[in-house]
Amino acid sequence: DTGVSQDPRHKITKRGQNVTFRCDPISEHNRLYWYRQTLGQGPEFLTYFQNEAQLEKSRLLSDRFSAERPKGSFSTLEIQRTEQGDSAMYLCASSLGPQPQHFGDGTRLSIL
Amino acid sequence: TQLLEQSPQFLSIQEGENLTVYCNSSSVFSSLQWYRQEPGEGPVLLVTVVTGGEVKKLKRLTFQFGDARKDSSLHITAAQPGDTGLYLCAGASGGSYIPTFGRGTSLIVHP
Repeated sequence: DTGVSQDPRHKITKRGQNVTFRCDPISEHNRLYWYRQTLGQGPEFLTYFQNEAQLEKSRLLSDRFSAERPKGSFSTLEIQRTEQGDSAMYLCASSLGPQPQHFGDGTRLSIL
Repeated sequence: TQLLEQSPQFLSIQEGENLTVYCNSSSVFSSLQWYRQEPGEGPVLLVTVVTGGEVKKLKRLTFQFGDARKDSSLHITAAQPGDTGLYLCAGASGGSYIPTFGRGTSLIVHP
């Protein structure tokens, strides 16, 4: 049973570096979501794709953040010029219906 | 922006006890989800409720959606250590289909 896969699981980088995360959703799921979660908080919505179209972006998604889903399958989330405040767990979810059904186990980003 | 308040924030109980956690908002939700999350893992969807007054049961877990679709509760009967985790509610409203999450209730069940 292949669920949502995220890579890498952990990323440690210095402030100012660029990082890219990958999410492989469940194959037949056309909807893909990115969330960010910090300690003691629930997941915060970042962006949403239906197939390859990015339909919604949160105000949290500053111009240093970009997400793509070029063929409507896997997705990447890139953060440029990372800052201390970007340290968080980045979660990807996919679904067929209108709510995120299946989450990956996330990429934990630590900024030194 | 809708805000989901979850209470209590923390709950520590003994195995066999019953508990209820709450999710409240001033917004009307088109649907509301409950998830459970364990440390280092992503949330796992437990249930979706869509109709005001709806009650759904999942083994020892009972989920209720308020009549006005602004609040929900999760009741666990005879809690077990395996129920330990962060219980998150999430709801979409105002024409958006993107759910907003609450901060969660962190539950610890001691053997």
